[in-house]
Amino acid sequence: QKEVEQDPGPLSVPEGAIVSLNCTYSNSAFQYFMWYRQYSRKGPELLMYTYSSGNKEDGRFTAQVDKSSKYISLFIRDSQPSDSATYLCAMSADSTLTFGKGTMLLVSP
Amino acid sequence: GAVVSQHPSRVICKSGTSVKIECRSLDFQATTMFWYRQFPKQSLMLMATSNEGSKATYEQGVEKDKFLINHASLTLSTLTVTSAHPEDSSFYICSGWDVSGGADTQYFGPGTRLTVL
Repeated sequence: QKEVEQDPGPLSVPEGAIVSLNCTYSNSAFQYFMWYRQYSRKGPELLMYTYSSGNKEDGRFTAQVDKSSKYISLFIRDSQPSDSATYLCAMSADSTLTFGKGTMLLVSP
Repeated sequence: GAVVSQHPSRVICKSGTSVKIECRSLDFQATTMFWYRQFPKQSLMLMATSNEGSKATYEQGVEKDKFLINHASLTLSTLTVTSAHPEDSSFYICSGWDVSGGADTQYFGPGTRLTVL
């Protein structure tokens, strides 16, 4: 079992839909959880950074961490075509980062 | 999936010396590679975008004369930390884009831990 599992997609949704992106992990030592958005051939940009369990909201984005289930989610409300990108989850116990493979999201107008 | 390797995995050096880190895509050609830095308990920060055959693009706040990047072939990019100081101690990770066969996927290397004494 890989340490971090993430469905590669692509996930196709119409504009305005609520998007749910998820990752599961096996290492219970992970404490820091991140979501990155990466446009094609561009560097990833950090979207959300969460420590331990709980929810964090920033504009249209909400990150959830459920450590008991080893499951993290990123919700995007009112999705836009400009949200079309690859979304990477990443997590760490100390300073070593473990990434998911990324989920490609396609938002159609 | 495709593999990206980094060498060395760990390096300890004295202040003032230069350190070179290699990033290789082992089974795909990467016209674009990225270099990241991660301080303890911090998230990954993009340092620069390395394009084969051209100059790297550096993120704001990253000194291009201190962090020299060379992407001389489709499978190798190097990062040289010149005149390293203790504040440069960090975890450096690279990634490469695989666009072969219709894929458009980024693969990350395992990282290099630099400690400057």
